[in-house]
Amino acid sequence: GAVVSQHPSRVICKSGTSVKIECRSLDFQATTMFWYRQFPKQSLMLMATSNEGSKATYEQGVEKDKFLINHASLTLSTLTVTSAHPEDSSFYICSAKVRTISYEQYFGPGTRLTVT
Amino acid sequence: AQSVSQHNHHVILSEAASLELGCNYSYGGTVNLFWYVQYPGQHLQLLLKYFSGDPLVKGIKGFEAEFIKSKFSFNLRKPSVQWSDTAEYFCAVNPRNSGNTPLVFGKGTRLSVIA
Repeated sequence: GAVVSQHPSRVICKSGTSVKIECRSLDFQATTMFWYRQFPKQSLMLMATSNEGSKATYEQGVEKDKFLINHASLTLSTLTVTSAHPEDSSFYICSAKVRTISYEQYFGPGTRLTVT
Repeated sequence: AQSVSQHNHHVILSEAASLELGCNYSYGGTVNLFWYVQYPGQHLQLLLKYFSGDPLVKGIKGFEAEFIKSKFSFNLRKPSVQWSDTAEYFCAVNPRNSGNTPLVFGKGTRLSVIA
């Protein structure tokens, strides 16, 4: 149980285009989803916290107009990287908290974004 | 604000050697503690977690960790590593009764096990 999926797993896009990444909790309801960014050989950096039906809370230094987060349902959150630039190339990982077990946080497999 | 320190950036061990990876956190209250592993090209997997009770917790694949409250530490151990343990290891923490608070991660320790 407690499986989190992400789609796509890998995407290459041209500079200036937008990319949408989906995060789904497959067998549980997630009241809260988190989006992290991981640079090569570095730790996970929290970008934003997403609660179902409300606006996402962004960490300091993360541009909310560039990284649009939508948490439309208890099983789906999306991250859209708008007008992507090469410096946005990174590994994006979503995570979900299990509704009935407040401390557990499960991670998706990540999405490798490359902006050319 | 919470923070997590992992002192070893890269550890290289021979197979069958014993492993201990350090993790210290800073937070004034009660915390939940986690160790995650990320194998090359794969996603994060939970190795073990501590919420309460016995401070020595056992996880998957022969790993264990000990919570020492007085030292704000949660070191990861394994008596005998295997080549397949080569991976990145992350310590993480969040406050007890954390609600929507996300995990805070350490910078990670890369473990390389050589034959």
